[in-house]
Amino acid sequence: RKEVEQDPGPFNVPEGATVAFNCTYSNSASQSFFWYRQDCRKEPKLLMSVYSSGNEDGRFTAQLNRASQYISLLIRDSKLSDSATYLCAVNRLTGGGNKLTFGTGTQLKVEL
Amino acid sequence: DTEVTQTPKHLVMGMTNKKSLKCEQHMGHRAMYWYKQKAKKPPELMFVYSYEKLSINESVPSRFSPECPNSSLLNLHLHALQPEDSALYLCASSPDSGSSTDTQYFGPGTRLTVL
Repeated sequence: RKEVEQDPGPFNVPEGATVAFNCTYSNSASQSFFWYRQDCRKEPKLLMSVYSSGNEDGRFTAQLNRASQYISLLIRDSKLSDSATYLCAVNRLTGGGNKLTFGTGTQLKVEL
Repeated sequence: DTEVTQTPKHLVMGMTNKKSLKCEQHMGHRAMYWYKQKAKKPPELMFVYSYEKLSINESVPSRFSPECPNSSLLNLHLHALQPEDSALYLCASSPDSGSSTDTQYFGPGTRLTVL
């Protein structure tokens, strides 16, 4: 079983739609959680950190459920510019330092 | 300013060449990372430097040799690579690798092609 799993998509949604992505992680020692956005042939850019019970930033809401080892990302009123791959990342502090493990990413295409 | 810079942006090299990738950050971060990303795959951790010391090596072949000359710079020396090493090489930094809530910021990457 992969340490971090995501539905690869693609999710094709019309502009203005609400879309939700899910991510599960297998290592209960995981301590912090992130959503990154990656555009084609670009680097991952931090979208949101997800701590404790979750957080909201404008149209984006991230939730964490430690009991189920599950995090989610909700995008409301989606824009064409939201089209990208969304990577879930799970951080675990080891003796050597932080190890960030990414899911395979979920591709989002927002259409007119 | 959450900027990590990497040079070169693109690199084409033969299997017998020796080349280096460079990464720089001026955010005062004390942890720096190298990742490898193949097409349509997620980034995979290669090395972690904490306070200029190599702290994690994810069983990376010795043809990849990292170096951290100071707290702002990270190099990746390449020698005798294989075509399957062609990928996007991403550098990242974070404030303090001793905290589990550390957030990593990525540079734009070097797109490497090995012929």
